[in-house]
Amino acid sequence: QVQLVQSGAEVKKPGASVKVSCKASGYAFITYDINWVRQAPGQGLEWMGWMNPNTGDTGFAQKFQDRVTMTRDTSINTAYMELSGLRSEDTAIYYCARMGSTWYATGDNWFDPWGQGTLVTVSA
Amino acid sequence: QSVLTQSPSASGTPGQRVTISCSGGSSNIGSNYAHWYQQLPGTAPKVLIYRNNERPSGVPDRFSGSKSGTSASLAISGLRSEDEADYYCAAWDDRLSGWVFGGGTKLTVL
Repeated sequence: QVQLVQSGAEVKKPGASVKVSCKASGYAFITYDINWVRQAPGQGLEWMGWMNPNTGDTGFAQKFQDRVTMTRDTSINTAYMELSGLRSEDTAIYYCARMGSTWYATGDNWFDPWGQGTLVTVSA
Repeated sequence: QSVLTQSPSASGTPGQRVTISCSGGSSNIGSNYAHWYQQLPGTAPKVLIYRNNERPSGVPDRFSGSKSGTSASLAISGLRSEDEADYYCAAWDDRLSGWVFGGGTKLTVL
């Protein structure tokens, strides 16, 4: 079945970087965009950006443009999200999510499935 | 402050019908599809309704979605205790060139 499995929890100091992985299985990895969404403790969902695993093209929410990098390794069907300059407000669960269909353009599409989430804690 | 506006909470008794609303603008819900995600306690979100009113396989027909103008709604009929969860609306925003979410509605089954 289609599945996204993310890397384990991380604890980082302020100013450091974190790299979260998202391994895809059950489908052709390069055919669906991967998005990253985060959720701070007790808060709602916040979209960070997207990546086309085939071309490597990316797009980011303005809030994260200067600090986020999204890459992939097609040989192992894995997408990565790296966030630099970490601060306490970046403490959150980070989710990867695949686009739901290859039939529709981005604006007509949706997120399905989601990874299980990776907790990133930023603390001195 | 979320781009899409949802009431923070909703509640109902078993068997009741509840509606959760999501208010947006011309650049998001007004010109693109609305989608709904359910997040059960301690789990990742999952799609509940996509493209305004379509249900993925496995989602009971107790769940339905609709859209009118710049607002969308999620209706849950025959409320069950296992429906207690957070519900989020989402849409692509043409002005921001990105996805936007509502702040979420916590549904309590009394």
